[in-house]
Amino acid sequence: GENVEQHPSTLSVQEGDSAVIKCTYSDSASNYFPWYKQELGKRPQLIIDIRSNVGEKKDQRIAVTLNKTAKHFSLHITETQPEDSAVYFCAANTNSNTGKLIFGQGTTLQVKP
Amino acid sequence: DSGVTQTPKHLITATGQRVTLRCSPRSGDLSVYWYQQSLDQGLQFLIQYYNGEERAKGNILERFSAQQFPDLHSELNLSSLELGDSALYFCASSPGVGRDQPQHFGDGTRLSIL
Repeated sequence: GENVEQHPSTLSVQEGDSAVIKCTYSDSASNYFPWYKQELGKRPQLIIDIRSNVGEKKDQRIAVTLNKTAKHFSLHITETQPEDSAVYFCAANTNSNTGKLIFGQGTTLQVKP
Repeated sequence: DSGVTQTPKHLITATGQRVTLRCSPRSGDLSVYWYQQSLDQGLQFLIQYYNGEERAKGNILERFSAQQFPDLHSELNLSSLELGDSALYFCASSPGVGRDQPQHFGDGTRLSIL
């Protein structure tokens, strides 16, 4: 069935270090992979997304990589800052002509000053 | 501000009751999505409407129903409420119906069942 697995569930890094969150999807027809950041008590906020026709996308300190063969994608945050502390969710679309997204279980990132 | 408006922000009610959650999409967006977020289930897709028509269904309970009106706002109706329905309910919107459309979320409605 449709499934997205996300690891790790928690991640603690020192300010300035890099953080990497990994996701694996099950549906080989998935072709859109967004990442959301959710601060405590707030809405999920789209921070970056990637489509299957590219292998990597960068936006300042954030990058996402996609390996279609292995069916996994990763979020990389460089030079982490305390304000990066939040829960990060990966997601994948499904084999249907709809916008349905399957979300990973989330990664709680703590950046220590 | 995502441009997606959800009301009310908080709802407190009792088991067995019925509530209605409302969502207005971003200007120009035709698709509305509803998601449920609970502590142990993460973000779960409930249903998608596109330009007034149901487009996709997730694991939405039969006690839940939704609709999208001609002005494109959407309502999620939850009936015969149970304690386990306590959760954050988010609405998101996107421009079209397609598989690779960015979805932007509203601030959510926190539903507490006593």
